[in-house]
Amino acid sequence: QKEVEQDPGPLSVPEGAIVSLNCTYSNSAFQYFMWYRQYSRKGPELLMYTYSSGNKEDGRFTAQVDKSSKYISLFIRDSQPSDSATYLCAMIGGSARQLTFGSGTQLTVLP
Amino acid sequence: NAGVTQTPKFQVLKTGQSMTLQCAQDMNHEYMSWYRQDPGMGLRLIHYSVGAGITDQGEVPNGYNVSRSTTEDFPLRLLSAAPSQTSVYFCATKSTGLANYGYTFGSGTRLTVV
Repeated sequence: QKEVEQDPGPLSVPEGAIVSLNCTYSNSAFQYFMWYRQYSRKGPELLMYTYSSGNKEDGRFTAQVDKSSKYISLFIRDSQPSDSATYLCAMIGGSARQLTFGSGTQLTVLP
Repeated sequence: NAGVTQTPKFQVLKTGQSMTLQCAQDMNHEYMSWYRQDPGMGLRLIHYSVGAGITDQGEVPNGYNVSRSTTEDFPLRLLSAAPSQTSVYFCATKSTGLANYGYTFGSGTRLTVV
């Protein structure tokens, strides 16, 4: 079983929809939780990060962490075609000293 | 300020050939690493370095060598290429002075081994 599980999709939504992307994990040592966005044929770029449990909002993006359930989410409000990309969750912390990535969810926002 | 530069962008190798993937950064980051990305597998860590002269293995190190003689460069060597090494390779760096989230990725090298 992978340490981090992420539904690969693909996920296709109409423009303006609310998108929910999720990851589950098994290592309770993880403390920092990140979301990366990767456009086709590009390297991943950091989108958001959170430390421990709670919510963080940045414009149309909200990251949530529930450590008790070992579950993290990324919400995208008013989705735009420019949001079409693969979204990767990543985690690190405690004895896990290197980033561990989910497999990525491919999102397409249709105009 | 170029950030993280990877060369080449594309490469086709024959089985058994060797090659070096280059990674250079101009951000003075101490930490540098190599990942490979395969469909359905996400990004997996191959090797990493926390400073010049210091390297360590990641999750999938077999078939790859690294060295770190300068802060700026972290080349990845394929000793004898195999079709299983067909993948997209990313170099990622961060400053050890920042929190753990500050990773910067290069644009990748697409490698095909035939």
